[in-house]
Amino acid sequence: DADVTQTPRNRITKTGKRIMLECSQTKGHDRMYWYRQDPGLGLRLIYYSFDVKDINKGEISDGYSVSRQAQAKFSLSLESAIPNQTALYFCATSIGNEQFFGPGTRLTVL
Amino acid sequence: KQEVTQIPAALSVPEGENLVLNCSFTDSAIYNLQWFRQDPGKGLTSLLLIQSSQREQTSGRLNASLDKSSGRSTLYIAASQPGDSATYLCAAPMYSGGGADGLTFGKGTHLIIQP
Repeated sequence: DADVTQTPRNRITKTGKRIMLECSQTKGHDRMYWYRQDPGLGLRLIYYSFDVKDINKGEISDGYSVSRQAQAKFSLSLESAIPNQTALYFCATSIGNEQFFGPGTRLTVL
Repeated sequence: KQEVTQIPAALSVPEGENLVLNCSFTDSAIYNLQWFRQDPGKGLTSLLLIQSSQREQTSGRLNASLDKSSGRSTLYIAASQPGDSATYLCAAPMYSGGGADGLTFGKGTHLIIQP
């Protein structure tokens, strides 16, 4: 089984809808991250969490929120999706200084 | 805030060649740098994490070096194979230190190994 899993893997939604992307890990790592990847822009950090009580904004947090339900679960929500949030979203975990990534969720907002 | 640049953006070479991918970063007060591989439509696979104290790290045919003084890292791939075709990403800590607050990524080098 994969150490970092993301659901759904693909999602198409409409402008204005609320959507949640979920991330689970079996690595036992305390730190978790959400990034988005856009063609030509690379990966950018949205939010990160050091533990269930410690949530921090990344460089592009506007329009997003997160929830750390447990050490193993970190969810990303788009409260009202807009087309420029169409991207590939990655969850990552970290121990020491090394980060490990999930397979990604491809989100399309029409 | 860290900025990471990767050169070249794309590279196509015949099978069997040795090649070097370059990464430069602006904030040298980092503890480490990480190289990833990304296959089309897939997630990122960690290849190597180089600590600043190590200067070099090897895994199989891959060797990564880190020179903080010049703000550069290189990924050397020996005896390239078609299966090495992928996008290679370099990532440095977003702020000074070890990257706990997140990584800054380069835009990647798209590598094609011709059979």
